[in-house]
Amino acid sequence: GAGVSQTPSNKVTEKGKYVELRCDPISGHTALYWYRQSLGQGPEFLIYFQGTGAADDSGLPNDRFFAVRPEGSVSTLKIQRTERGDSAVYLCASSQGLAGLTDTQYFGPGTRLTVL
Amino acid sequence: SQQGEEDPQALSIQEGENATMNCSYKTSINNLQWYRQNSGRGLVHLILIRSNEREKHSGRLRVTLDTSKKSSSLLITASRAADTASYFCATDGRSNYQLIWGAGTKLIIKP
Repeated sequence: GAGVSQTPSNKVTEKGKYVELRCDPISGHTALYWYRQSLGQGPEFLIYFQGTGAADDSGLPNDRFFAVRPEGSVSTLKIQRTERGDSAVYLCASSQGLAGLTDTQYFGPGTRLTVL
Repeated sequence: SQQGEEDPQALSIQEGENATMNCSYKTSINNLQWYRQNSGRGLVHLILIRSNEREKHSGRLRVTLDTSKKSSSLLITASRAADTASYFCATDGRSNYQLIWGAGTKLIIKP
């Protein structure tokens, strides 16, 4: 079936603006993750959903960042009052959500966010 | 925070040669995973090795894990141009869902 998809693929915005990044997980995957990747670095965990609820949002850098998954499928990462330091590739991943085990996370292509 | 550190940061070899990349981590783990990332396909899961395993194979890939040294290696045999990518190791962090990543090894296969 289809993999994880993310839209838009690229987003350029101005400092102070609000942006929304969307993630469509693999159908049937209950777990969904957001990561942020800066140039030359590995991904950095932001938030994890199990179903509709955010089971762990400890990686969100501050209260300008918020994510939702209202129906347990599509998720939206929202960033308010964007800053230049928010520029990065935002990656979404999904997995089956197997309890008690580390199950494979499947990644989308990412959204490259540039804040001018 | 990043848990793993890959070594070397960059590696350039001739097609057909073997490539070895290493990963070191800091805290105890339940498992370690290797991923590949290139511009065409994003992050792709390669292999997962559990803490009670010492070696695992998948096609041309061989992964070893030494928990006493907190290190892992990824060997790609008979490299191909399509293997050109960045390779990352990721370990489970505070939980089995939170992956903590190294900065990656950039591998270039010269034709």
